[in-house]
Amino acid sequence: KAGVTQTPRYLIKTRGQQVTLSCSPISGHRSVSWYQQTPGQGLQFLFEYFSETQRNKGNFPGRFSGRQFSNSRSEMNVSTLELGDSALYLCASRPESGYNQPQHFGDGTRLSIL
Amino acid sequence: QKEVEQDPGPLSVPEGAIVSLNCTYSNSAFQYFMWYRQYSRKGPELLMYTYSSGNKEDGRFTAQVDKSSKYISLFIRDSQPSDSATYLCAMDTGANSKLTFGKGITLSVRP
Repeated sequence: KAGVTQTPRYLIKTRGQQVTLSCSPISGHRSVSWYQQTPGQGLQFLFEYFSETQRNKGNFPGRFSGRQFSNSRSEMNVSTLELGDSALYLCASRPESGYNQPQHFGDGTRLSIL
Repeated sequence: QKEVEQDPGPLSVPEGAIVSLNCTYSNSAFQYFMWYRQYSRKGPELLMYTYSSGNKEDGRFTAQVDKSSKYISLFIRDSQPSDSATYLCAMDTGANSKLTFGKGITLSVRP
């Protein structure tokens, strides 16, 4: 069974630009969550999507947004990029609507802002 | 006070050693406890997933949860150089998808 797939693996952008990251969950998984990982703050929860709806949201500004498609694939968008947005962005999926299932992570997209 | 505190590293041990990794937490609503392993340039890989207090064993790995003390541990027996990675504890309340992570500890197992 294929794992969580994230594209692209690496991305370089400049301040003020916007970026879209993609995540394909494990087949059959319907919940997709996004996390930001930085050396200073560690892993922080961005948001979760289930059945094409944002179900939970972390403490990030509105520049961070996402969506989920009917096939459970998800995209994350960051607008007006800032230097502090440089990070590893991780996507995780879980099988069902319930929260008593562990999340499985992809290898992330490394975003660098110049 | 952070919700999850993880012993700072890095940690270096000789091959074959028993490794003990620890996390404490302050939020009594946490119900599910996980340990993830992260290799360089890779995403976190789920190692252990537990719900109740007590021990759970999987091969060379044992996860221990003490909800009364708000303390979780991961023990690695007969450590191998391939165990060299960053280990992250994570927990959630079961009420939403937000995992709260410790900062992680980098383990190096010397041959």
